[in-house]
Amino acid sequence: SQKIEQNSEALNIQEGKTATLTCNYTNYSPAYLQWYRQDPGRGPVFLLLIRENEKEKRKERLKVTFDTTLKQSLFHITASQPADSATYLCALAHNAGNMLTFGGGTRLMVKP
Amino acid sequence: GAGVSQSPSNKVTEKGKDVELRCDPISGHTALYWYRQSLGQGLEFLIYFQGNSAPDKSGLPSDRFSAERTGGSVSTLTIQRTQQEDSAVYLCASSRHGQGANGYTFGSGTRLTVV
Repeated sequence: SQKIEQNSEALNIQEGKTATLTCNYTNYSPAYLQWYRQDPGRGPVFLLLIRENEKEKRKERLKVTFDTTLKQSLFHITASQPADSATYLCALAHNAGNMLTFGGGTRLMVKP
Repeated sequence: GAGVSQSPSNKVTEKGKDVELRCDPISGHTALYWYRQSLGQGLEFLIYFQGNSAPDKSGLPSDRFSAERTGGSVSTLTIQRTQQEDSAVYLCASSRHGQGANGYTFGSGTRLTVV
């Protein structure tokens, strides 16, 4: 069966360090992968998209990599800040016309 | 509107009652999605509307769940004869032209509690 796995344990890091979150998937051939941020009591907010033919995408302090051989995406936040503390969700779709399937999310805590 | 609006924000209902949850998507967004999120869990897909096409209902967990989208805009998710396991946050999202590649815009959700 298709699975999207994110580390369910919270990731605790010190302010200023780089946070790295992992998204692994099995039995899937996604056309693209997206990352979202979710704060308590709020809906997810879209951050970045990376397509299957792209290896890396950057946006300000964010960087996403996509390895279709390993079936893995890494999400990096450089120079992390306490305001980056939230749950981060990855989501996959077979193509632009399909709905997204989400992973369970990883909670990030950045300590001052 | 500026964002996706959902109402009510909170709903407490007795087991066995019917509930209706409303979603008002961003104007011009032709695609609308409903997801469910249980405490500490990821998002579970429920149903997807794209323009005038037949909706993708493959995620609805039982025939007690149904959804409509009137005039290609506002959507209502109805849960009949609610059960305690229906307690969750119901999230609605919309996107332009059904191209999720541009990212979804989510509402803040309706927190449903069945007692």
